[in-house]
Amino acid sequence: QLRLQESGPGLVKPSETLSLTCSVSGGSISSSSYYWAWIRQPPGKGLEWIGSLYYSGSTYNNPSLKSRVTISVDTSKNQFSLKLSSVTAADTAVYYCARVWGSDGPGGHWGQGTLVTVSS
Amino acid sequence: EIVLTQSPDTLSLSPGERATLSCRASQSVSASSLAWYQQTPGQAPRLLIYGASSRATGIPDRFSGSGSGTDFTLTISRLEPEDFAVYYCQQYGNSPGTFGQGTKVEIK
Repeated sequence: QLRLQESGPGLVKPSETLSLTCSVSGGSISSSSYYWAWIRQPPGKGLEWIGSLYYSGSTYNNPSLKSRVTISVDTSKNQFSLKLSSVTAADTAVYYCARVWGSDGPGGHWGQGTLVTVSS
Repeated sequence: EIVLTQSPDTLSLSPGERATLSCRASQSVSASSLAWYQQTPGQAPRLLIYGASSRATGIPDRFSGSGSGTDFTLTISRLEPEDFAVYYCQQYGNSPGTFGQGTKVEIK
């Protein structure tokens, strides 16, 4: 049974870098059939696609987040990571990792999500 | 990027009734690359429909999707108590993938 679990600090200061890791169990992150994605949801609001990654290291980021996003993979640990730099209060959200079928979706398996609050 | 607009924002219905949710795209969605998700409070979204009309694994047949181009519909034939939730559409044919703002299906 595939399981994804997000981990990382729940509180980040403004202007700093948000760092999250998604640990994958029950399946290999090196599968050629899937991509691995990050999606976020501000409290009480809708979903926003952040970006995705293929096991080879190719990434596909949402231009709305410009160059602030870095998504990377560690195949030896079966994990992938998100770094979002220069955060502001607008980056406060529940962050989800997911296994997706293409570089932009859809997402068949999601982690439970982790709330990250940006505040001093 | 493609903007998706869902309607209505809220749908008030009783168990057993039929629900019809709409998703309209600002431009044609390539290859009918349109998905629907269900989200209940405190939970991650669950994939219901992909490719506009294909049900994901384990999804009951009371959920159906239709449409192409810029207009898509999710229909729930007979609402069960567990179906009262927020529903999102997503297009994944054009990068970046984008979501609609959601439709809340609430108990009348």
